[in-house]
Amino acid sequence: EAGVAQSPRYKIIEKRQSVAFWCNPISGHATLYWYQQILGQGPKLLIQFQNNGVVDDSQLPKDRFSAERLKGVDSTLKIQPAKLEDSAVYLCASSQMTGNNGELFFGEGSRLTVL
Amino acid sequence: GENVEQHPSTLSVQEGDSAVIKCTYSDSASNYFPWYKQELGKGPQLIIDIRSNVGEKKDQRIAVTLNKTAKHFSLHITETQPEDSAVYFCAARAAGNKLTFGGGTRVLVKP
Repeated sequence: EAGVAQSPRYKIIEKRQSVAFWCNPISGHATLYWYQQILGQGPKLLIQFQNNGVVDDSQLPKDRFSAERLKGVDSTLKIQPAKLEDSAVYLCASSQMTGNNGELFFGEGSRLTVL
Repeated sequence: GENVEQHPSTLSVQEGDSAVIKCTYSDSASNYFPWYKQELGKGPQLIIDIRSNVGEKKDQRIAVTLNKTAKHFSLHITETQPEDSAVYFCAARAAGNKLTFGGGTRVLVKP
């Protein structure tokens, strides 16, 4: 079974530029999560989708971050404009179950460096 | 919301010794406590989890214990091996709520 796929693995941009990350969850998984992991810290939830609807985006900085999950499968996370403090690994995870139940399967992450 | 504290932040052990990582949580409604292992350049991977109706769970060399009264849970790794070197995260979740992670413990197993 293929795991959660993410791209790009690495991205370096200058502040005020924009960047987009892509995630393809495990086939059939209804719930998709985007986490931000700053160096030396645990993952922090940015947004949670159930199918193509947003369940929780309370910690998403909506002035600069946006995310979508069209057709309830792939998802993209965009940052525009980027700030220095956005340097982090962006992890995508998926779960077969809905309603914040079940095991989370993580991708390998997209490492963003903002200069 | 839930707050999860994890200690220690780094742990160095000799190969063959045991390693113990401790976490505390704040939300008494939390009932699911997973542990994740994150190797360099990889995403976190679930290694063991425990639910609030169980006090202890073991899987080969790893075990978790849960004390709901004190709101703390621990990961125990016995007979450590070099491949156990990684960052370990605890997490907690109440039914229907999001998973909240601890800050992580970097474990180094010295051969």
